[in-house]
Amino acid sequence: QKEVEQNSGPLSVPEGAIASLNCTYSDRGSQSFFWYRQYSGKSPELIMFIYSNGDKEDGRFTAQLNKASQYVSLLIRDSQPSDSATYLCAVSLLRRDDKIIFGKGTRLHILP
Amino acid sequence: GEEVAQTPKHLVRGEGQKAKLYCAPIKGHSYVFWYQQVLKNEFKFLISFQNENVFDETGMPKERFSAKCLPNSPCSLEIQATKLEDSAVYFCASSQSPDNYGYTFGSGTRLTVV
Repeated sequence: QKEVEQNSGPLSVPEGAIASLNCTYSDRGSQSFFWYRQYSGKSPELIMFIYSNGDKEDGRFTAQLNKASQYVSLLIRDSQPSDSATYLCAVSLLRRDDKIIFGKGTRLHILP
Repeated sequence: GEEVAQTPKHLVRGEGQKAKLYCAPIKGHSYVFWYQQVLKNEFKFLISFQNENVFDETGMPKERFSAKCLPNSPCSLEIQATKLEDSAVYFCASSQSPDNYGYTFGSGTRLTVV
């Protein structure tokens, strides 16, 4: 079983709609959860992190964490063409300051 | 500086040649991580450092890969006797506290082995 799983997409969402990206992880002891955005040919850029169950909002982005279901999601409201990118879910395992394990990413395409 | 500086941006090596990549972390960041990104966005963890000490090297193919982070020098990742499958983008990332802040990535070094 992969440690961090994401649907590879592409996920196509009309401009202005809500994009919903999902991720599951296998290690129940995982502590920290991150969403990175990576444009083609560029390096990943951290957009959200979450540690506690529930929702965390930052501008148009909301991260949701459900540790019981081992599930993390990212919602992007009012999607813009500039949101078209690959979104990587990443999970930090049990040991403090351990490496982050990345999913393979979901390609998001916002349709103008 | 406020960015993770990786050099070179591109590197081409013939199979069997040595490749050396460099990374200068953000000032004040004590953790450095190296990842290899191959096709289809798969990030493979290679090694991490806390200051100049190896923190986790479970991802390193030790027979050909080595890495160092020495005081007052950029960190380095060296591949002896490169193979075709080493072709990838190698990202370095640094952090002051990975659990709390995640990483800041450098722009990567694209290694092509021909």
